[in-house]
Amino acid sequence: GNSVTQMEGPVTLSEEAFLTINCTYTATGYPSLFWYVQYPGEGLQLLLKATKADDKGSNKGFEATYRKETTSFHLEKGSVQVSDSAVYFCALSDRSGNTPLVFGKGTRLSVIA
Amino acid sequence: DAGVIQSPRHEVTEMGQEVTLRCKPISGHNSLFWYRQTMMRGLELLIYFNNNVPIDDSGMPEDRFSAKMPNASFSTLKIQPSEPRDSAVYFCASSLDGGNTEAFFGQGTRLTVV
Repeated sequence: GNSVTQMEGPVTLSEEAFLTINCTYTATGYPSLFWYVQYPGEGLQLLLKATKADDKGSNKGFEATYRKETTSFHLEKGSVQVSDSAVYFCALSDRSGNTPLVFGKGTRLSVIA
Repeated sequence: DAGVIQSPRHEVTEMGQEVTLRCKPISGHNSLFWYRQTMMRGLELLIYFNNNVPIDDSGMPEDRFSAKMPNASFSTLKIQPSEPRDSAVYFCASSLDGGNTEAFFGQGTRLTVV
């Protein structure tokens, strides 16, 4: 079945450091890939997405590139801020139309000033 | 649109009591999902509906849990009787066209069973 594996946290970085959160997936066909972010006390919200190989999703300084050859969708940001502290979830959709997103376990990021 | 609306935001109840969580999806969305989030298990899909019909409830932990979607604008998740291990944050999410597109999450209901 479809699955998503992301690096375990927590990840603690100093402000302005470079961030990478690894995500790999297993799926049949050509899934769509997503990164969601959950700020403290809130629900998940979409951060970025990519729907086909080599697509790059980007938002708020975060980027992720859909790599079919390595089945990966790693999240990166060049310079993190304290306000980026949150839990990040990688997810996939198999595009079958009636199946829900498959989420990874989440990675908690803490950015310290 | 106001987004996915869940109520209540917080619920504290005694073991053995019935608990009902409510969700109003985004207007026009035809898929609705109930998730549970705990520190130990992370985010778990409990059940999802498509066009008000339950498609997969294999994630519902026990018969004490039940969910309904009587119309396109309302869903409930009921726990009867509640137990302390049901304490978690319960999220409702909705989307257009199943999992193909972005799912929009509500703010969640934090349930504490004492």
